[in-house]
Amino acid sequence: EADIYQTPRYLVIGTGKKITLECSQTMGHDKMYWYQQDPGMELHLIHYSYGVNSTEKGDLSSESTVSRIRTEHFPLTLESARPSHTSQYLCASSPSVGGLGLNTEAFFGQGTRLTVV
Amino acid sequence: GENVEQHPSTLSVQEGDSAVIKCTYSDSASNYSPWYKQELGKGPQLIIDIRSNVGEKKDQRIAVTLNKTAKHFSLHITETQPEDSAVYFCAASTPDNYGQNFVFGPGTRLSVLP
Repeated sequence: EADIYQTPRYLVIGTGKKITLECSQTMGHDKMYWYQQDPGMELHLIHYSYGVNSTEKGDLSSESTVSRIRTEHFPLTLESARPSHTSQYLCASSPSVGGLGLNTEAFFGQGTRLTVV
Repeated sequence: GENVEQHPSTLSVQEGDSAVIKCTYSDSASNYSPWYKQELGKGPQLIIDIRSNVGEKKDQRIAVTLNKTAKHFSLHITETQPEDSAVYFCAASTPDNYGQNFVFGPGTRLSVLP
């Protein structure tokens, strides 16, 4: 079992509300990711981080923001939720390998299913 | 950047038959190819992976083959069971100084019919 946790698992919230999706991992991984996944299955990278104080935008443009103040914590925030933000959000982490080192998997959390009404 | 294609998008097989899912990638620097299984309501979980210096890897009913020259890798599931029904993702991974960059395929929804 991977030690990466997302809360809440399900969230139904009204339009205009500010929300924060939590993601924590206890594996000491430097690299963390946020993916958005619609019912069509495809995983879209929206944010990632190389480590503390590092955040980068992913391939899919998102109105959400992220922060990385501690290694283990990578929260995602929506300042004003809209129905178009309804989706599943998956957090993942992987260890840094320092150049051309060992390859290893990304570990995923269980996801947060967000519904904005 | 890296592009990963995955086929088929949906696959139905009879219980006991084999299932094959194929992926191609574009970046020749890719050196690691994991396969993930995602069950309903859960996050993706690694089921098997292969590194670029290996042509084939097997774990019980699951096997992965890699053709690095053709930039092509495949997942093979033999003697399928209903609990194999899920969405499967391939990924290609290239290293940078901080870790791995994963690019996922669009997924294959596998249904194993009893």
